Amino acid sequence: DTAVSQTPKYLVTQMGNDKSIKCEQNLGHDTMYWYKQDSKKFLKIMFSYNNKELIINETVPNRFSPKSPDKAHLNLHINSLELGDSAVYFCASSQNRGRNTIYFGEGSWLTVV
Amino acid sequence: SQQGEEDPQALSIQEGENATMNCSYKTSINNLQWYRQNSGRGLVHLILIRSNEREKHSGRLRVTLDTSKKSSSLLITASRAADTASYFCATAGTQGGSEKLVFGKGMKLTVNP
Repeated sequence: DTAVSQTPKYLVTQMGNDKSIKCEQNLGHDTMYWYKQDSKKFLKIMFSYNNKELIINETVPNRFSPKSPDKAHLNLHINSLELGDSAVYFCASSQNRGRNTIYFGEGSWLTVV
Repeated sequence: SQQGEEDPQALSIQEGENATMNCSYKTSINNLQWYRQNSGRGLVHLILIRSNEREKHSGRLRVTLDTSKKSSSLLITASRAADTASYFCATAGTQGGSEKLVFGKGMKLTVNP
């Protein structure tokens, strides 16, 4: 069973489009995250939710909007996609607001053309 | 910044040799974690060491933490070709009551058969 699953795995889309990436965890964790990995493999946190409440919001363009319908799901919606949004987006989850191991999904490869 | 930085950035060794990777960081932390990323895959958690611990073992992995020097090392003994991957250290510090995991730039390990 996949612990943290995200869809789609690959996404190619044109500039200006709006797209969503979905994430679900079946670990019973209370905290979920979105990380972005750029072309140089640098990983940076974007958002963190604890029990559906936003607790970490890094400096991210407001075109990116996370939504957590329940504590097992954290989706990422991106409006007006730009070329620079091309990256790998990783969803992750942990228990106790991240004071324990953080488990990552397999990533969603987004290419904006 | 509390960002960890791995050293060396790339390491190539022969199967059976030991591989040592170092991580330095700048601010106080609650714990430090090491992750592995195979090409085109997500991150796999390897080991977590808390700030009050000095050394931890897990199979062929040995991690040390020196908080006075703000550094950690990951030793992989008797390396195998399957250990070829990128390795990241990540430091966990508290922001707004939650752990924020900040990743280093990663280190590429190549184990030649």
